[in-house]
This record gives sequence, structure tokens and C-alpha cells, in this order.
Amino acid sequence: DAKTTQPPSMDCAEGRAANLPCNHSTISGNEYVYWYRQIHSQGPQYIIHGLKNNETNEMASLIITEDRKSSTLILPHATLRDTAVYYCIVRLRFNAGGTSYGKLTFGQGTILTVHP
Amino acid sequence: EAGVAQSPRYKIIEKRQSVAFWCNPISGHATLYWYQQILGQGPKLLIQFQNNGVVDDSQLPKDRFSAERLKGVDSTLKIQPAKLEDSAVYLCASSFPYNEQFFGPGTRLTVL
Repeated sequence: DAKTTQPPSMDCAEGRAANLPCNHSTISGNEYVYWYRQIHSQGPQYIIHGLKNNETNEMASLIITEDRKSSTLILPHATLRDTAVYYCIVRLRFNAGGTSYGKLTFGQGTILTVHP
Repeated sequence: EAGVAQSPRYKIIEKRQSVAFWCNPISGHATLYWYQQILGQGPKLLIQFQNNGVVDDSQLPKDRFSAERLKGVDSTLKIQPAKLEDSAVYLCASSFPYNEQFFGPGTRLTVL
């Protein structure tokens, strides 16, 4: 599985943009980058994913470098409720019985703390 | 839309006892996953089902852990006998086969 490297922790002021970096230098051409977050005492929550183009949804934006070796998750206007562990994952694709599946391997993630 | 349901939310047992966890996935999701999350670590996949068949159980400690999804909907994860190092949160997730996973709230297991 392609390994990801994230800073262990980051701080952000409420209302400002939070930019969370991730390195995935061994990513393969057909592997997607996924971002999940986990708020204390809850299960992980899907945020966004991408292959090579930048992506945006109602939660965040994902910027992937042209060589695909790194990416940045952007929360445009962080709130206190965005305080969580953010996981950057390179999803492994495998086939079984004629069906494609994705496998997520979670690392330690980045603890994002949003301050008032 | 109802999310992934898990029960119980908390369980405390003594070592060498048995325990079972239950998961009800999102309606229509054929793929179901069980993860183990030890404190301070990211979730680790234990087993993945497609309908009632096992797709991946390479990280399931099969000497003490078992899981089933007999009718392709609900699933049960069992530990027998439990060890101290099994203390963790057990997360269930579901998805369509190649799509994003939706996680339940988890069951926190404490083994004394």
C-alpha cells in the first residue's frame, strides 16, 4: 500500500482557512487520495477524494500536485467543530470475484485544533 | 438517511470472556467492514464482506476473532476468548463496493 506522511498536529484560528498537507510519494497511477476525519468519540467521516484533478465539495477542497506525490486538504473557513483527527489515505484497489474493491489503510493522521 | 448502527456502544468484560458486537449497515450497501481502533492509532481493517462472502480477512486474528454476515445485511463480530490487548473501539462501516465508506459510532471494549 502506498504510504502517506502527515504532520502529527496543526493549529488554526476559527474563521481562517486550514491547510492540511499530505505526502504520498509512492502513489500509483490509478490510486485515489481519500480524506477522512474523526471527531472525538465518533466514527471516521468521509470528506473528499480525488485522483489527479483538484476537487471541491461542500466540506472542503482537495489540491493534488501535478506529480501526484502530495496533496493538501483545505477547510476554507474553519470552525470549532472542525477540531478532529484528519486522515489522508491512498486507497488500494483490488479485485475479487470480478468486482473491484477499495481498501483503506489509516495512518496516525493530523490532529487539527481550531482555536477561538 | 439512516446511518450505520452498532450495538452495544460500550462493553466491559474480563479477560478470557467472550463478547459479540452487532452492526446494521446502511440500506443497500453490499460491502461491510469491521475495523479495530486502539487508542491513539488509526482504524485497522479486520475483515471486509461483500454480501455474505468474505473479501478480505487477512488482518483478522482468526484464533480468537470471528465474524459473520449470514443474510448479507447485519453482521456480528465475536471475540473468544478476549485478551487485555483487545481493548479498543470496534468500528463497522458500509459502502457500495468501490465507493466511500460510511462508519458507525463504534463499540468501545474494555478488557480487564
